[in-house]
Amino acid sequence: QSALTQPRSVSGSPGQSVTISCTGTSSDVGGYNYVSWYQQHPGKAPKLMIYDVSKRPSGVPDRFSGSKSGNTASLTISGLQAEDEADYYCCSYAGSYIWVFGGGTKLTVL
Amino acid sequence: EVQLVQSGAEVKKPGESLKISCKGSGYSFTSYWIGWVRQMPGKGLEWMGIIYPGDSDTRYSPSFQGQVTISADKSISTAYLQWSSLKASDTAMYYCARRDVNRGIDYWGQGTLVTVSS
Repeated sequence: QSALTQPRSVSGSPGQSVTISCTGTSSDVGGYNYVSWYQQHPGKAPKLMIYDVSKRPSGVPDRFSGSKSGNTASLTISGLQAEDEADYYCCSYAGSYIWVFGGGTKLTVL
Repeated sequence: EVQLVQSGAEVKKPGESLKISCKGSGYSFTSYWIGWVRQMPGKGLEWMGIIYPGDSDTRYSPSFQGQVTISADKSISTAYLQWSSLKASDTAMYYCARRDVNRGIDYWGQGTLVTVSS
């Protein structure tokens, strides 16, 4: 399984919205509604932000939303805040108890 | 509260063996799969494999099959990741993470930094 494709970096000003894409294949993103998104601050463990394409765990602000179309999933962060600056990783189930991650996207809040 | 607590940082020489651990608490350890994820310095996350502590059913990513061994001791709610002969390229942060059937990979350990250097 190859890594899912994410943009290396995105940026936005406080209050704006940004969208991070995650492109896979019909064997992973397109084949299952099991796409998750993780936020990772420097030196910290990843934190679950979105699961099953668009569901938010309790405690995650509703500024974070997820969607999927075909082989591409997206994470949208609206009302950007300084603390949103982090690396974001998508992850998809790929069958046979294999998961595949994206290469990660660095979000900069200007 | 669900917690995954990993063993501390390790510094090893090439060719040495190593076993790192991940202890689960706050939930039924035998009812959830535990996965391992590698993060090389400055790089992204890579899926290594997963184990079901209830019966030790283990699945490996093709990239890591034969390179590492994943095991678990359900009597002490602990999963393990081990190497028989480390290489410099094994230098990385290793995370364990719980897989919930309803939420996917949800809780993560704090990570164990493994440094392999002569």
